[in-house]
Amino acid sequence: QLQLQESGPGLVKPSETLSLTCTVSGGSISSRSYYWGWIRQPPGKGLELIGSIYYSGSTYYNPSLKSRVTISVDTSKNQFSLKLRSVTAADTAVYYCARLQGSTWELDYWGQGTLVTVSS
Amino acid sequence: QSALTQPASVSGSPGQSITISCTGTSSDVGGYNYVSWYQQHPGKAPKLMIYHVSNRPSGVSNRFSGSKSGNTASLTISGLQAEDEADYYCSSYTTSSALVLFGGGTKLTVL
Repeated sequence: QLQLQESGPGLVKPSETLSLTCTVSGGSISSRSYYWGWIRQPPGKGLELIGSIYYSGSTYYNPSLKSRVTISVDTSKNQFSLKLRSVTAADTAVYYCARLQGSTWELDYWGQGTLVTVSS
Repeated sequence: QSALTQPASVSGSPGQSITISCTGTSSDVGGYNYVSWYQQHPGKAPKLMIYHVSNRPSGVSNRFSGSKSGNTASLTISGLQAEDEADYYCSSYTTSSALVLFGGGTKLTVL
């Protein structure tokens, strides 16, 4: 059974960089059938796709966040990572990683999510 | 890019059917049959309920069904049960650089 697990600091200071890693187990991140995505959900609000990455390193970002986001993949560790620069309180959210089907574009496996709070 | 448009809330009584709409544009919902629906209970990760407009993953009740007409997709839940009370989100493939776009979410209340 595929599992995804987010990890990283739960508290980040304003203007600093938020860094999270998603570890994939029970399957290979190098499969050509899937992309790997980051999604966030501010408290009490809806879901927002931050971006996604293919095992080859090709990236696809939400235009509204593109200038501050970098997603990378480490196939040797079966992990992919998120960096969000210059954070503000508006970036406080639960951050999820998920698997994105490359043919029908649904997010079929999700991590449990991790709350990241931006505060001094 | 704007989120897909969903009603903020819907409600129904146990045993009834409800439908949640998801409206986009020809660049997403209307242009491709890649609409998905997710159920999210409080404090939990979203769960995939429908993909490819009308397909159910293994283990999802056949009380959940999906359809699409033009730029609007719909999720129908029949025989409402208390456990169906949750937030529901649609998503669609999009021609924008993001690849996938979400709806704003709909809170379903089972009366």
